[in-house]
Amino acid sequence: GQQVMQIPQYQHVQEGEDFTTYCNSSTTLSNIQWYKQRPGGHPVFLIQLVKSGEVKKQKRLTFQFGEAKKNSSLHITATQTTDVGTYFCAGRKTSGSRLTFGEGTQLTVNP
Amino acid sequence: EAQVTQNPRYLITVTGKKLTVTCSQNMNHEYMSWYRQDPGLGLRQIYYSMNVEVTDKGDVPEGYKVSRKEKRNFPLILESPSPNQTSLYFCASSPLSGKAYRKETQYFGPGTRLLVL
Repeated sequence: GQQVMQIPQYQHVQEGEDFTTYCNSSTTLSNIQWYKQRPGGHPVFLIQLVKSGEVKKQKRLTFQFGEAKKNSSLHITATQTTDVGTYFCAGRKTSGSRLTFGEGTQLTVNP
Repeated sequence: EAQVTQNPRYLITVTGKKLTVTCSQNMNHEYMSWYRQDPGLGLRQIYYSMNVEVTDKGDVPEGYKVSRKEKRNFPLILESPSPNQTSLYFCASSPLSGKAYRKETQYFGPGTRLLVL
């Protein structure tokens, strides 16, 4: 079945450092989504990428979708303590199909 | 307000005592799903449903049942809970457009923390 793998599992950074998490799928994806879960909270949608090679930015966050639509990355520039949480990628094999989540990357930011 | 609600939020029970966690969404979404979240294991899908009367197993369905009699409700049933089902459970819903470019954002409920003794 479809598998979505995410690395690293944990990342500790000093405030102001950059952070990147990577997502890889065993199959080509129709689209990929990213979610953020704050400690004690529930996952919240950040963004959806659809096109091959697509790059989208949200302030200090940059999201990329690979050319082959099998991998994706989330990069945070100059992390802040408000960035703390677990970041999940999730992909659909085909439009309208089951959404499969990666294991998540837990980010901690030391002030 | 658009939302996914789950009840109860917290539950302590004993091995073997049947329980149901309810999930309801008010966004007319076709897709609903249950996940369990355990430390170091991320979100693992238990069951999902593409529409009314259509359900399918996720990655960890053993020990769970679901039903989808109405579009808005997707209860999770534990017929005979065991301690290894102690976990944080999330229900989620999303629209299903069948088009890759349409946003199929998944909305999560607040979670149900279950302890099975």
